[in-house]
Amino acid sequence: EVQLVESGGGLVQPGGSLRLSCVTSGFTFSSYWMHWVRQAPGKGLVWVSRINSDGSSTNYADSVKGRFSISRDNAKNTLFLQMNSLRAEDTAVYYCARAAAAVRGVINTALDYWGQGTLVTVSS
Amino acid sequence: DIVMTQSPDSLAVSLGERATINCKSSQNVLYSVNNKNYLAWYQQKPGQPPNLLIYWASTRESGVPDRFSGSGSGTDFTLTISSLQAEDVAVYYCQQYYNTPYSFGQGTKLEIK
Repeated sequence: EVQLVESGGGLVQPGGSLRLSCVTSGFTFSSYWMHWVRQAPGKGLVWVSRINSDGSSTNYADSVKGRFSISRDNAKNTLFLQMNSLRAEDTAVYYCARAAAAVRGVINTALDYWGQGTLVTVSS
Repeated sequence: DIVMTQSPDSLAVSLGERATINCKSSQNVLYSVNNKNYLAWYQQKPGQPPNLLIYWASTRESGVPDRFSGSGSGTDFTLTISSLQAEDVAVYYCQQYYNTPYSFGQGTKLEIK
């Protein structure tokens, strides 16, 4: 059974930092691209970042570029999101999600498994 | 960046009736090399993460009931629920994965009339 479990959320002051983790199981983590998606309270889904299977390539939303860093530890089946210089507008539930398997060179795929999310609150 | 716009924002449909949600992308998400539309639909129930329903615009994810179907190509897409069930009450999102930043529609809240 595929499982993704996020942790590391909490209350942080503006300008502070947090590191989110997403521990995965039930699939070969090192073969899949992974994403972070966030959802502010009562709002819609917003894509944040993605990383390729070996960690050599990353992409970010403009709103987090230069402040957030995505990484992974394939030996520990874990995805990370380092969040620095946090702002009130970063307050959200952060989901990690797996990108569906790439087939015949098609690397952009839908997000087929999601974790339950971890809440990040940025407030003084 | 590609902007995804859904309509309507909310929808109330009677049990057993058809529900239709529309999604329009600001740019073409059909990749001519493989003739695939990079468009997905997700369902999100309160307090739960999103659940993938449809990918490549019209391919149903494993385990998704066949009352859910997706159609469209290029910039205009539709999610149809052929016979609404009580458990279909949720917010529905379309998403393009043609390029980064991946983007979602604003969501359509589906309720029972």
